[in-house]
Amino acid sequence: DIQMTQSPSSLSAFVGDRVTITCRASQNIYNFLNWYQQEPGKAPKLLIYAASTLQSGLPSGFSGSGSGTNFTLTISRLRPEDFATYYCQQSYGTPYTFGQGTKLDIK
Amino acid sequence: QVQLQQWGAGLLKPSETLSLICGVYGGSFSEYYWSWIRQPPGKGLEWIGEINHRGNINYSPSLKSRVTMSVDTSENQFSLRLRSMTAADTAVYYCARVTSSSWSSESFYYMDVWGKGTTVTVSS
Repeated sequence: DIQMTQSPSSLSAFVGDRVTITCRASQNIYNFLNWYQQEPGKAPKLLIYAASTLQSGLPSGFSGSGSGTNFTLTISRLRPEDFATYYCQQSYGTPYTFGQGTKLDIK
Repeated sequence: QVQLQQWGAGLLKPSETLSLICGVYGGSFSEYYWSWIRQPPGKGLEWIGEINHRGNINYSPSLKSRVTMSVDTSENQFSLRLRSMTAADTAVYYCARVTSSSWSSESFYYMDVWGKGTTVTVSS
């Protein structure tokens, strides 16, 4: 299985800050990488697919980059509703695997 | 707007079989793969497997010996059965749609519509 490792595991920031979350794959996954946001008690929500394509209807403050084994999710200016847990997921091959998550909370 | 509604028993005893169903409403059933994912309390997401309308299936190797997925195309539903449940299988179970987008001769897969989740507890 492809292992996905996110850093940091948790992050505190202020509303208005710019934050970056990193995801590393255990092998080359090209750009087969998705990002999800999960609020407490809710299902995950797709943010980014194919490493950098923003899901339709989402604000442009979210962006993704990277290829190969190293990827980043950037939130350009944090809004109160962005405080949640974020997961990366590889879709290069089954079994699809997720990172362990990055919990973003308000400082 | 496609919606996924899922249902099934939420409290099981050890050794029993989990049975969940996910209904697809307001969208195509035959154009997608359909996935199950679970999340133990306070932990991350684990992909269980996927199935399409033809019954083509991919299972996670770690659960393959205990999992069965099936589809009912007449009802636009797909189902999950997980045998020999233990406390370690306690989790929120989600169903999700797997969409693909293709460009540059590649197909990118992602889970873009999710059910609300079913909390499953295994306890004697």
